[in-house]
Amino acid sequence: KAGVTQTPRYLIKTRGQQVTLSCSPISGHRSVSWYQQTPGQGLQFLFEYFSETQRNKGNFPGRFSGRQFSNSRSEMNVSTLELGDSALYLCASSDGTSGTRETQYFGPGTRLLVL
Amino acid sequence: DQQVKQNSPSLSVQEGRISILNCDYTNSMFDYFLWYKKYPAEGPTFLISISSIKDKNEDGRFTVFLNKSAKHLSLHIVPSQPGDSAVYFCAADNLFFGTGTRLTVIP
Repeated sequence: KAGVTQTPRYLIKTRGQQVTLSCSPISGHRSVSWYQQTPGQGLQFLFEYFSETQRNKGNFPGRFSGRQFSNSRSEMNVSTLELGDSALYLCASSDGTSGTRETQYFGPGTRLLVL
Repeated sequence: DQQVKQNSPSLSVQEGRISILNCDYTNSMFDYFLWYKKYPAEGPTFLISISSIKDKNEDGRFTVFLNKSAKHLSLHIVPSQPGDSAVYFCAADNLFFGTGTRLTVIP
């Protein structure tokens, strides 16, 4: 099976702009989770989508949003970008039957730089 | 507020010896703990997990121990190999992650 893919891999934006990141899960996986990784902060959970519905949400402002399509592909959007949004954004997929309490398979990430 | 903490940013071990990576958590309601390892320019990959109803899980060279009373888990790698050199993250319910420990195995 093909792994989790994320596009684009690298992105440079300026403050105030918005950005959309895309994630294609492993075939058959219905859950997609998004994480933000910044130096010294580890991975911080953004949200999880399962069958097109947001099932879990982390503690991020409303500028961070996502959605999931019927084919389980997911997009994450960040509006009104701030310098602090510069990070590696990771997407992970799983079967989803146990919520987030199951092995997740991560994509390579999208590295976002906000100038 | 970090609910999962890895207090050692780095660890160096000689090849063939044991590597012990530690993780502490604050919430006794966490149900499932996982370890992931991450190589540069790649996403994390799953290594081993443990349910809160167990205190030990073993998979080949990797063993995870869970001490619920101390809210502490540890990952043991025996014997350590140079290919194990990576950043290791512990996670609780895949909702809270530690900041990672960089393991270097010296040949």
